[in-house]
Amino acid sequence: RKEVEQDPGPFNVPEGATVAFNCTYSNSASQSFFWYRQDCRKEPKLLMSVYSSGNEDGRFTAQLNRASQYISLLIRDSKLSDSATYLCVVIGFDTDKLIFGTGTRLQVFP
Amino acid sequence: DTEVTQTPKHLVMGMTNKKSLKCEQHMGHRAMYWYKQKAKKPPELMFVYSYEKLSINESVPSRFSPECPNSSLLNLHLHALQPEDSALYLCASSQERGLEAFFGQGTRLTVV
Repeated sequence: RKEVEQDPGPFNVPEGATVAFNCTYSNSASQSFFWYRQDCRKEPKLLMSVYSSGNEDGRFTAQLNRASQYISLLIRDSKLSDSATYLCVVIGFDTDKLIFGTGTRLQVFP
Repeated sequence: DTEVTQTPKHLVMGMTNKKSLKCEQHMGHRAMYWYKQKAKKPPELMFVYSYEKLSINESVPSRFSPECPNSSLLNLHLHALQPEDSALYLCASSQERGLEAFFGQGTRLTVV
């Protein structure tokens, strides 16, 4: 089983739609969780950190469910510019490693 | 400022060449990373430096040799690479181990 798993998609949604991605992780000792966004042929960029209490940044909401070992990202009112690959990242306890999921591709169409 | 600068942006090298990739950050971050990314795949960790010391080597072949001359710089020395080493090489840094990392734009390497 992979350490971090995501549905690769693609998710094709119209502008204005709400879309949600999930990510599961296998190591229950994992401590830190992030969502990154990566555009085609560009570097990953930090979208948001994921806290136990959940967090929201504008149209983006991230949640953590430790019991079920998954994190989620909700995007409301999708924009064309949201089209990208969304990477789930997990950092384990007592490790320097950022472990990337395979990424979920989102395509927003007019 | 969350800038990590990598040079060169593109590099084409022959299998007998020696070249170096460079990475620089001035955010005072004490952890720096090298990742390799192939097309349509997530980044794969290669090396981690923490306080200028190598803390993780993910069983990377010796034809890749990292170096951390000081807290702001990270190099990746390349020698006798294979065509399958062609990829995007990403440098990243974080304030400390285990915190969110910020990535440079990467060096797109082609080995011919």
